[in-house]
Amino acid sequence: QKEVEQNSGPLSVPEGAIASLNCTYSDRGSQSFFWYRQYSGKSPELIMSIYSNGDKEDGRFTAQLNKASQYVSLLIRDSQPSDSATYLCAVKRLDSGYALNFGKGTSLLVTP
Amino acid sequence: DAGITQSPRHKVTETGTPVTLRCHQTENHRYMYWYRQDPGHGLRLIHYSYGVKDTDKGEVSDGYSVSRSKTEDFLLTLESATSSQTSVYFCAISEGTGILDTGELFFGEGSRLTVL
Repeated sequence: QKEVEQNSGPLSVPEGAIASLNCTYSDRGSQSFFWYRQYSGKSPELIMSIYSNGDKEDGRFTAQLNKASQYVSLLIRDSQPSDSATYLCAVKRLDSGYALNFGKGTSLLVTP
Repeated sequence: DAGITQSPRHKVTETGTPVTLRCHQTENHRYMYWYRQDPGHGLRLIHYSYGVKDTDKGEVSDGYSVSRSKTEDFLLTLESATSSQTSVYFCAISEGTGILDTGELFFGEGSRLTVL
């Protein structure tokens, strides 16, 4: 079973700070990576996808990928209380219908 | 928002009864998936479908079966529900054109199942 690992948290940051969420994966052949946000009692919502080494920015979110280190991260700038949620890292499989393998998620709490 | 509807959204049933969860999509996407989400385990793949009548198992498929008779509908059946199947079940869809597609999955709102 290919693994996707995340710290469970909770990660607590003050409003306006940068939140840094990290993820490692075990399948060296993985090519596609995703970050989902999940509010309590809701379904996962896609925030960003990243396919190439380096940084990808979208508004306050930046995804970073380092395939050599098998490491993916998500930075949230100017964190807001509304960013408080669980963030799921996911990696696309090369089998199982190209399903995604998910980490268990990191809980983020942004305090006013 | 992706057009994905799950039903029922909430269900309480007793051990040993059959249960069917329905996922309906309006996107005409090829791939559909059933995941379950439990505290401490995250999202785990139960079954998936890559076309009408084409289905296969994920890593937690024991006790579950699926059917896909139309592109838009993917049914998950618990033939004889057990308490260990108490969970939140999510359906997801993907355009699924192959290994080079975006790989993005879009989720339904979830079905919360309690087996007493």
